[in-house]
Amino acid sequence: GAVVSQHPSRVICKSGTSVKIECRSLDFQATTMFWYRQFPKQSLMLMATSNEGSKATYEQGVEKDKFLINHASLTLSTLTVTSAHPEDSSFYICSADPPNGYTFGSGTRLTVV
Amino acid sequence: DAKTTQPPSMDCAEGRAANLPCNHSTISGNEYVYWYRQIHSQGPQYIIHGLKNNETNEMASLIITEDRKSSTLILPHATLRDTAVYYCIVRVVSNSGYALNFGKGTSLLVTP
Repeated sequence: GAVVSQHPSRVICKSGTSVKIECRSLDFQATTMFWYRQFPKQSLMLMATSNEGSKATYEQGVEKDKFLINHASLTLSTLTVTSAHPEDSSFYICSADPPNGYTFGSGTRLTVV
Repeated sequence: DAKTTQPPSMDCAEGRAANLPCNHSTISGNEYVYWYRQIHSQGPQYIIHGLKNNETNEMASLIITEDRKSSTLILPHATLRDTAVYYCIVRVVSNSGYALNFGKGTSLLVTP
């Protein structure tokens, strides 16, 4: 089946620094990828839709200058959390929609200290 | 996509069948019912989906009522590893390019 690989699985960074999260489709081409954020004991919330070769579409309330998304190839989308603050600490998950149905990365636990 | 309603939590004894209900009374004719689950600190995992016929795979069975307004996910012999949050999602399958919208799901606890 289609596999989405997400790295890193866990990252701790200092407040004010930037963190990049990678999401790769391993055995299919992903024109579109999705980025979610999940706070403790809450459901997944869609942050943005990443489209290969074009600008991402952000959900209302998500700062596009803070959460930079790059989808430069059909197999790689990246999410960069810029100038991270403790309130950005969360579980970030990417997903893609290959022909046989949605598949998700394993998630990245970001802790900003 | 039609809205779904699920109980917030359920318990099940190990080895017994876990029956997780989902209400989707506003479902339209071209919308499928999808089930995903999320084990703690992992990405969601696809379980099963269906349109109107009952479906079964190696993980679970999906029973959809004749009027399609509700469905039940059945884990026939629950194990401790089935403890997870289960999400019932309704969407048009041809809506590629659109993200799945997750509700609050049902937190299933399988006990020894």
